[in-house]
Amino acid sequence: EAQVTQNPRYLITVTGKKLTVTCSQNMNHEYMSWYRQDPGLGLRQIYYSMNVEVTDKGDVPEGYKVSRKEKRNFPLILESPSPNQTSLYFCASSFSVAGGELFFGEGSRLTVL
Amino acid sequence: QKEVEQNSGPLSVPEGAIASLNCTYSDRGSQSFFWYRQYSGKSPELIMSIYSNGDKEDGRFTAQLNKASQYVSLLIRDSQPSDSATYLCAVFIGNQFYFGTGTSLTVIP
Repeated sequence: EAQVTQNPRYLITVTGKKLTVTCSQNMNHEYMSWYRQDPGLGLRQIYYSMNVEVTDKGDVPEGYKVSRKEKRNFPLILESPSPNQTSLYFCASSFSVAGGELFFGEGSRLTVL
Repeated sequence: QKEVEQNSGPLSVPEGAIASLNCTYSDRGSQSFFWYRQYSGKSPELIMSIYSNGDKEDGRFTAQLNKASQYVSLLIRDSQPSDSATYLCAVFIGNQFYFGTGTSLTVIP
C-alpha cells in the first residue's frame, strides 16, 4: 500500500529534550516536506527536500532540523524543543518537484511541557 | 509575502445544494493550485488539482482557476453530509506549498 508513515503519532515531552519525528514514504517520491498545523494559522511549511542531500527552509524553520540521507526517509529533528513547538505535524511527499499532489502522513501530535 | 486567503466559515448548506468555496492568492508566480479536504483529526487528502485557467470537473467537484484575478474556487454539487469537513486551498510557488487557513463546511441533512 502506498503510504507516508510518521512516528510517533503522539508525544508529550519536556522543554529541551531532543526528539526526532520520523517520516518514511514507499512511493519513490522525489519531494518530501514537513508542515505544522496550528489553529487559525493553517498548515505552514517547515522544511522541504527535492532530492537526497538537498533540503531547504520553508516558512517556519526556526528550531527544527531535517536530513535526507535516503530518498524514502525525511526525519524532523527538534534539538531543544520549546512549548511554542506544541503542534500537529504532518509529513508529506510528492512524485513531482514541480508542484504535484501531496500525499500526507497521518500526523504527529506533539506537546512540549 | 506569499499569502493564500480563504473565508474560514463556517459555511452551512442543506443536503443536495451547491457549496461554493473561494480562495485568493497574492503571488502571480503561482504555478499549481490544489483543494484538499481534511476531516477533524485526520490528514489532508487531495480533492482537486488545477494548473491552467478555466474549469476542471471531477464527479461532483469543479475547480475554477482565474489567474488574472488570482482566485481559485471549488464547487461541490449535490452536497452530502459526508462532505462536511474543512477544505484547504493550496498554492505551489517556487518549490514551496502555501496553504490557506481552511473553510469549514457543514452539510445539513
